[in-house]
Amino acid sequence: GAVVSQHPSWVICKSGTSVKIECRSLDFQATTMFWYRQFPKQSLMLMATSNEGSKATYEQGVEKDKFLINHASLTLSTLTVTSAHPEDSSFYICSARDVDGGAGGNEQFFGPGTRLTVL
Amino acid sequence: GENVEQHPSTLSVQEGDSAVIKCTYSDSASNYFPWYKQELGKRPQLIIDIRSNVGEKKDQRIAVTLNKTAKHFSLHITETQPEDSAVYFCAADISGNKLVFGAGTILRVKS
Repeated sequence: GAVVSQHPSWVICKSGTSVKIECRSLDFQATTMFWYRQFPKQSLMLMATSNEGSKATYEQGVEKDKFLINHASLTLSTLTVTSAHPEDSSFYICSARDVDGGAGGNEQFFGPGTRLTVL
Repeated sequence: GENVEQHPSTLSVQEGDSAVIKCTYSDSASNYFPWYKQELGKRPQLIIDIRSNVGEKKDQRIAVTLNKTAKHFSLHITETQPEDSAVYFCAADISGNKLVFGAGTILRVKS
């Protein structure tokens, strides 16, 4: 149980184009999903918290107009990187928390990540 | 905001020896402290976690200790094996919601 998928697993795009990444909770409902970015040899940095049916909460320094987040259902959140540039190349990982609050409600289940390369 | 510091950044041990990774946090309201193992290009895997009402938790070769007064927690891996080689991250929650991650520790187990 508690499986999170991401699609695509990798994507290469040209500078200036937009890329959409999907995050799905396969066997549980997630009121809250999180989007992280991880550069090579660095830690996970939280970009935004995605709440079903409401606007995402962005971390300081993350441009909300560049990284569009939509959480339209309890099993799907999407991250769209708009007008991508080479500096946006990174490993994007989502996580989801079970709405039933298993394990005390804090545990996050991570997706496999999406490797974005912007040429 | 919450700040999580993790040491050491790299750790090399001989197979069979123990490995200890330490983290400190700044937000006294934090009450959930997970540890993750991440292999290259893969997702972080939860290996153990601890909550603030517990001082120590053990799962086979892995244990975590928490000192809330000092605001630090540690990961202990005993009888290390080559397959334990990976990057390990500690994290602390903020107000029961989001997680802040440490910088990571590269563990190398030499056989």
